[in-house]
Parts: sequence; C-alpha cells; structure tokens
Amino acid sequence: QQQVKQSPQSLIVQKGGISIINCAYENTAFDYFPWYQQFPGKGPALLIAIRPDVSEKKEGRFTISFNKSAKQFSLHIMDSQPGDSATYFCAASPGLSNYQLIWGAGTKLIIKP
Amino acid sequence: KAGVTQTPRYLIKTRGQQVTLSCSPISGHRSVSWYQQTPGQGLQFLFEYFSETQRNKGNFPGRFSGRQFSNSRSEMNVSTLELGDSALYLCASSQAGDIDEQFFGPGTRLTVL
Repeated sequence: QQQVKQSPQSLIVQKGGISIINCAYENTAFDYFPWYQQFPGKGPALLIAIRPDVSEKKEGRFTISFNKSAKQFSLHIMDSQPGDSATYFCAASPGLSNYQLIWGAGTKLIIKP
Repeated sequence: KAGVTQTPRYLIKTRGQQVTLSCSPISGHRSVSWYQQTPGQGLQFLFEYFSETQRNKGNFPGRFSGRQFSNSRSEMNVSTLELGDSALYLCASSQAGDIDEQFFGPGTRLTVL
C-alpha cells in the first residue's frame, strides 16, 4: 500500500513533442505528490509538485495532472527539448507528519533532436 | 546560498568495514533526510532528523544509523558493510521539515567490495 508505481520505464520523444509519464498509488493518505528530475551524477531536483485539492498544476512547460478518484497522477512536458533528457521520478508523501517520500522507480527520458 | 553538500563524493570499502557519510544542509535548514538509491530498489528512505531528533525511520536494518548535530549537519553510519550496501546515498535538507521544500545534495557513491 506504500508503493508508487511509475510507467514507462523509459521513453523516447522527438524534440518539440509531448512527454508523458504516469504514476499510480494505493495509499489514500498520501497528500503530497512531487516530480523530481535527476541528471547523471547529480541528486534529484524538485520539478513540480501538487496536493490532492487541485486536479492540475502548470509551471512553464511542465504540468501535473492529478486524478484523485483513480489514484493516479502524471507529468506532461510540453515542447520537449534535448536538455530535458534525464531520469524523472514521481513520489508521494504519506502525510500525517510522516516526513518521508515514497518514490516511483523512475523513467529515463530521451529527447531526440 | 550554497546548496546541500555531501562528503566524501566517492568511497570504496570492503565487506565488514564501517563507513560514515557526512551531509551539510543549506544554511538555515533544520531538517535532514537520507535516502539510498540503487538500480534495483530505486530510492528508499532511510531516516529524517529535525533539530537533532530522529523523527522518522525507514525500513532498514539497525546497521544503518544516523545523527544530527546542533549546527544541523548530519552523519549517517553503516556498520558491518555488505555488498548490497553499494549505492548512492543522498541527503536532502529542508528549512522546517516541510516535505515540499526538500533540496538534495549530489550524493555519496559507496562501493563495497
């Protein structure tokens, strides 16, 4: 019940296209859903995050869509660029003052020029 | 503002040895979390410290321990190293323990031979 399932494992998108990564969770107590971006040799960096009280959040080319009833959330990267090539992780926080993140397995995104 | 720093960046140890990793959070941040990242298990939460107190602990054996000092710097220790402890160990800090304000360091790459 603590798992966060992420798909696909890898994704190749043409420059200018839309990249979509999906995550699903079971624990309805999760109340914070971030997406992190990680480049080789670096730690993860927070990209965008959402709380369950909204269904969508947009920051620049990055959008999170959140479906509370389906217990799913997704990351959309519009106008994907080669610099977006990285590994993306979704995560969720159990809430209730439980200060930890439960992570998805990661998606390796490659943007082809 | 300087980011989260971790030392050393790379470490090679042999089975049975012990190791201590260090994390210096962003100035003013009082919470430090530790995560283990491996290709097989992904990112897993180890523990979180706030104002020198461990608030949360992940599902790791007692060989993994940590502490936080009055200046918020944190150390984690792994005793009796096993081959499976080879991983990237990531430290993240946040100002007041808010889960949505975590900033990650570059990690310490531990190799156990």
